Amino acid sequence: EPEVTQTPSHQVTQMGQEVILRCVPISNHLYFYWYRQILGQKVEFLVSFYNNEISEKSEIFDDQFSVERPDGSNFTLKIRSTKLEDSAMYFCASVWAENGYTFGSGTRLTVV
Amino acid sequence: RKEVEQDPGPFNVPEGATVAFNCTYSNSASQSFFWYRQDCRKEPKLLMSVYSSGNEDGRFTAQLNRASQYISLLIRDSKLSDSATYLCVVNLISNFGNEKLTFGTGTRLTIIP
Repeated sequence: EPEVTQTPSHQVTQMGQEVILRCVPISNHLYFYWYRQILGQKVEFLVSFYNNEISEKSEIFDDQFSVERPDGSNFTLKIRSTKLEDSAMYFCASVWAENGYTFGSGTRLTVV
Repeated sequence: RKEVEQDPGPFNVPEGATVAFNCTYSNSASQSFFWYRQDCRKEPKLLMSVYSSGNEDGRFTAQLNRASQYISLLIRDSKLSDSATYLCVVNLISNFGNEKLTFGTGTRLTIIP
């Protein structure tokens, strides 16, 4: 069964540092998403990406966040200057047709 | 009012019991509905879609009431492996024509041997 692959599985970074979270979506999928889940809280939408541009973003997705699809396969989430409150699980998801979401196994980001 | 509201639990039930979860959603324009399962520190995984006519997948039955904006999940003959957090999820098409999933906080279920 096709998978969405995320790397790294766990990243520890110092406050103020930049981090890049990587995702390899399923190859024929067209829509890509990032979600995050702070420990003990619900999964929250960050951003959706279609046709090489952001289609929608949440209030969480401020100027410190950016997404790219640099080489047609990888899909990255960059946080420019991390804050303690950015500590969370970050999930990438890709979608082929309506409702067909496949989530990656996530990156646990810990900001210290 | 929360977009998707669930009883957080925890539900601790004996193996073999039947357990029911409920969920309400606030946006009547929501398009599609799901139950996801999430194990500790893992990604959400689709358990089943939910249709107005009700649908069943083995021991799992899901029901949608659009008029009441209410979704339910019934698990019969529960197994130890059913222990997880169950997420009520709603798919909404935004004003921009984009769709996104909105998650409830989840209901934690523990099956006791």
